Amino acid sequence: QKEVEQDPGPLSVPEGAIVSLNCTYSNSAFQYFMWYRQYSRKGPELLMYTYSSGNKEDGRFTAQVDKSSKYISLFIRDSQPSDSATYLCAMSRAGANSKLTFGKGITLSVRP
Amino acid sequence: GAVVSQHPSWVICKSGTSVKIECRSLDFQATTMFWYRQFPKQSLMLMATSNEGSKATYEQGVEKDKFLINHASLTLSTLTVTSAHPEDSSFYICSVRNSGRGPLGETQYFGPGTRLLVL
Repeated sequence: QKEVEQDPGPLSVPEGAIVSLNCTYSNSAFQYFMWYRQYSRKGPELLMYTYSSGNKEDGRFTAQVDKSSKYISLFIRDSQPSDSATYLCAMSRAGANSKLTFGKGITLSVRP
Repeated sequence: GAVVSQHPSWVICKSGTSVKIECRSLDFQATTMFWYRQFPKQSLMLMATSNEGSKATYEQGVEKDKFLINHASLTLSTLTVTSAHPEDSSFYICSVRNSGRGPLGETQYFGPGTRLLVL
């Protein structure tokens, strides 16, 4: 079993739809959870980060972490064509030498 | 978020030559930088952790003599692909670890990537 599993996609939605992206993980030591957005041929861009369980909202984006279920989600409201990209979940343990463990990424396409 | 630059953004070279890629942290001093490679339609694969003033730590299966990493200052790390071959063609991305405290201290900010094509 991989440490982080992410729905493989791809995912195609109409403009204005609510998008739900999810990852599950197996390592209970993970404390920090991030979502990155990567446009084609670009480096990943940090979208959201959360520590431990809970919700965090930033504009049209909401990140949820449920540590009891080892499940994280990213919701995108009122999706726009400019949201079309690959979304990667990532997580890490605490500590100075911690590394990010990534999901495989899901490619989202928002149709005008 | 932090600004991280990479140079060059793309490079084409002949098989057998060496290529150096620079990664700069423009917003803050970074004691730790990371080097990743990414193949098409795949996730990022960590190659090594670069620590300022000390030797890099390589992930299992990554040849340290082939991928030389130097982190000579708090704002610059370099990756040199020595004797490059076509199978080294990939997208190389560096990241900078925020050394601050709290949740942000565990995040990484990525550079724009360097596309390497070895002929």
